[in-house]
Order: sequence, then C-alpha cells, then structure tokens
Amino acid sequence: KNQVEQSPQSLIILEGKNCTLQCNYTVSPFSNLRWYKQDTGRGPVSLTIMTFSENTKSNGRYTATLDADTKQSSLHITASQLSDSASYICVVSATNAGNNRKLIWGLGTSLAVNP
Amino acid sequence: KAGVTQTPRYLIKTRGQQVTLSCSPISGHRSVSWYQQTPGQGLQFLFEYFSETQRNKGNFPGRFSGRQFSNSRSEMNVSTLELGDSALYLCASSARQGMGNSPLHFGNGTRLTVT
Repeated sequence: KNQVEQSPQSLIILEGKNCTLQCNYTVSPFSNLRWYKQDTGRGPVSLTIMTFSENTKSNGRYTATLDADTKQSSLHITASQLSDSASYICVVSATNAGNNRKLIWGLGTSLAVNP
Repeated sequence: KAGVTQTPRYLIKTRGQQVTLSCSPISGHRSVSWYQQTPGQGLQFLFEYFSETQRNKGNFPGRFSGRQFSNSRSEMNVSTLELGDSALYLCASSARQGMGNSPLHFGNGTRLTVT
C-alpha cells in the first residue's frame, strides 16, 4: 500500500534554531517527492521537488534531501524565523497502472517557531 | 499574475443542504484539482479536471461532483450535506494535466462547516 509518513507530528523551536522534518514513504513506482508549506488559513505552497536522481536541493533556508534507497526525505530549516511557523507537507508522486500519476500526501508536520 | 481564487472563503450549511464552491485557476492553467483537507485525514483528492473533462477521481461518494467550464474555471458541488463534510476544500491549478508533472498552485480554500 502506498503511504507517506511524516515525523514529528508537531514541533516547537525557538527563533534562530535549526530543525529537521522527516518524510518516509512506501510508494512504488516512485516519480518525485515535493515539500509544501501551508500557513494557517492559506493553501499549500510548493517549496521544492526532488526527483530520483537528486540527493539535495536548497531553497533559501530550506534544504531537502532524498535517499531513494531507504525511501526517506528530510526538510532542514536553518536559522528559523517566526514566519516559518506553518504545516509542512510531504507528497510523493507515483505512476499507477495506465501510466497515470497519483499523489500520496503525508499528514504534515506542524512547526511553531517561538520568539 | 493573479493566483488561484476560491469563493466563498467561509460557508455554514445545515445537514441535508447542498453547496457549490467556485475556483478560478491561474490564467493559462487548464488543469484544476479539488481536495478535501481535515486535521485527521490530511489532503484527500476529490477529482481533477482538464479541458472541461474529469480526468481523475478520488474515493468520494457520488454526492461530490464537479465541472469545469471553457474558461477553465471550476465548480464543486456537494449534495445532501453530512456533518463529516465539514472541512477545508482546496482547489489547485497546474499548467499541465497529470498530477505530479508540474507543481500544484493552491487557492486559500473554502472553509465549509455543516451543522
């Protein structure tokens, strides 16, 4: 069964600190993995996409990693800011029968950055 | 470029009623997808429309339906509302059909409360 699991479920850190969010997946065949940021009351916004051949990709203070062998991805946030408080959602794209792509969504990690 | 616009932002209905939600995609985007988001279930895929045709459908009952117009605007209808339909309904547009091929651009959602 295709699944995406994220940990931790929630996280509280102090402003300026770093943190790492985890995403484990059992999705086959794997196409790509995206991280979305969802602010309270807003729709998700794409942060980065990882394909099979990519190990690391950065977007400002956000760095995503992918280990296709262990089927794990992480999102590292450096020097956190109050505006980083949001839910971070991992989604994996799989190609199903008929060559249609399907998105499998994680439940997200809720991050709170406190001053 | 204007983003994805969803109306209304908030809606309160009673059980048994029906509701119609509206979504205007980013100009030039022909693919529109709908999602239901609840705290316990995360994002659940409802359906995707491309060029006025439903291309993919999630595992929701027939009470949930949608359509897309020639200008790519989309509507979603829920009939015979149940308490469990209370959720944030998100619309997302993308430039191409086939989820996973290109990023989804989400609107800020319609918060539906069924009493």
